[in-house]
Amino acid sequence: NAGVTQTPKFRILKIGQSMTLQCTQDMNHNYMYWYRQDPGMGLKLIYYSVGAGITDKGEVPNGYNVSRSTTEDFPLRLELAAPSQTSVYFCASSYRYEQYFGPGTRLTVT
Amino acid sequence: AQKITQTQPGMFVQEKEAVTLDCTYDTSDPSYGLFWYKQPSSGEMIFLIYQGSYDQQNATEGRYSLNFQKARKSANLVISASQLGDSAMYFCAMRNVDSNYQLIWGAGTKLIIKP
Repeated sequence: NAGVTQTPKFRILKIGQSMTLQCTQDMNHNYMYWYRQDPGMGLKLIYYSVGAGITDKGEVPNGYNVSRSTTEDFPLRLELAAPSQTSVYFCASSYRYEQYFGPGTRLTVT
Repeated sequence: AQKITQTQPGMFVQEKEAVTLDCTYDTSDPSYGLFWYKQPSSGEMIFLIYQGSYDQQNATEGRYSLNFQKARKSANLVISASQLGDSAMYFCAMRNVDSNYQLIWGAGTKLIIKP
């Protein structure tokens, strides 16, 4: 039982490039989330999903897109990367209350 | 609007002492839940404890307990007999049952345990 896995662990992007952050969970959770954590700050919700085929915006969705074609996978797409997207990205999943987090992806945009 | 406030940016505590990390919240909804997560320097987010707004008793999990004072809208985390491994960032978060289990996060408190 791997829980929530994220790839890659680290990535450096040039301004204007695009990439997809992968997230997979094996706990059969309906709810999945993407957060970003800027240095010294708490987490901010980017997008979330309540089940396959259903996604919605969180607090800071601009510059990102998501899809949820299966219960297990919830990829986050960055289009036209900007320096402001330099952050640590966490994926999480939940059945009800407690959210289980992946190890995070540290992204730098230069 | 819902809000979580952690007023202690950082704390130093002597090993084996008890620690109280403050968290106040604001919500107009009667049904909500409060969480504490630990983030060590390695970066992962570790769930510690949960308190529902209708729970009659304060939540406890091992050395962690939640001092829930509903009238004051506070949900402080108490760590008994602190250990060096407790050094980490601690985040308080709140869910609203009507918001698809979204969490609203505080800014965190950096706890350093001194030997």
